[in-house]
Amino acid sequence: AQSVAQPEDQVNVAEGNPLTVKCTYSVSGNPYLFWYVQYPNRGLQFLLKYITGDNLVKGSYGFEAEFNKSQTSFHLKKPSALVSDSALYFCAVRVSQAGTALIFGKGTTLSVSS
Amino acid sequence: DTEVTQTPKHLVMGMTNKKSLKCEQHMGHRAMYWYKQKAKKPPELMFVYSYEKLSINESVPSRFSPECPNSSLLNLHLHALQPEDSALYLCASSQQRTGSTGELFFGEGSRLTVL
Repeated sequence: AQSVAQPEDQVNVAEGNPLTVKCTYSVSGNPYLFWYVQYPNRGLQFLLKYITGDNLVKGSYGFEAEFNKSQTSFHLKKPSALVSDSALYFCAVRVSQAGTALIFGKGTTLSVSS
Repeated sequence: DTEVTQTPKHLVMGMTNKKSLKCEQHMGHRAMYWYKQKAKKPPELMFVYSYEKLSINESVPSRFSPECPNSSLLNLHLHALQPEDSALYLCASSQQRTGSTGELFFGEGSRLTVL
C-alpha cells in the first residue's frame, strides 16, 4: 500500500532562516508525491508535486522539494522562512498507480518566529 | 482563491436532522472527492467519483450518502449523524484521464457540528 510519513509534529524556525519539513514515502511503482499547505480554518492549497524528471521541484510561494529515491524522501524546503509561512503542511501520495485520490501524511505544523 | 466552491461554510445539525453539503467546480474536472478532516489531523478519504460514477467508498457509514448529479456538482447527504461526525468536510476535484498526473484542487470546506 502507498503511504507517506512525516516524522515531525512541529518544526520551529526563525524568520529568514532556511526551513525543511520532512517526508518519507513507501510506494510500489512510480511515486507521485505532493505537498499541500493548510492555513487555519481553510482548505488545502497545492504547493508542488513530483512525478518524474528533475529531483528538485520548485513550487508556489518560494517552496521547493527534493526527491531522493535512495532515501525514499521528499523533503519540503525554503531558503528563507517568512512568518506568513506558519501553517500546517501535508505530504501526500497517490492511493495507487491508476487512482488519482491522495493519501496524506499526519501533517507538520511549521511555526516561524519573528 | 479556490475554484472549488463548497456550501454551506458552517452547518450545525441535530442527530435527527437531514442536511446536505454541496460542492461545485467549473474546471472541467471529471474526478471529485469527499474528505473528512478532524482538527489538526490529515484529511481522510471518504468517496471518489470518476465520470459521475462512484469509484471508491472508503467504508463510510451509510448515514453519509454521496451524490454526483452532473460533472460539476457533488453532494453529500447527511442523516442521523453522531457528534463524532463533527469535522471539516472537504471537497476536491482533479482531472481524470489516462496518464493524468494532476493535483487535487480543494474547496474551503464545510465545517459541520453535530449536536
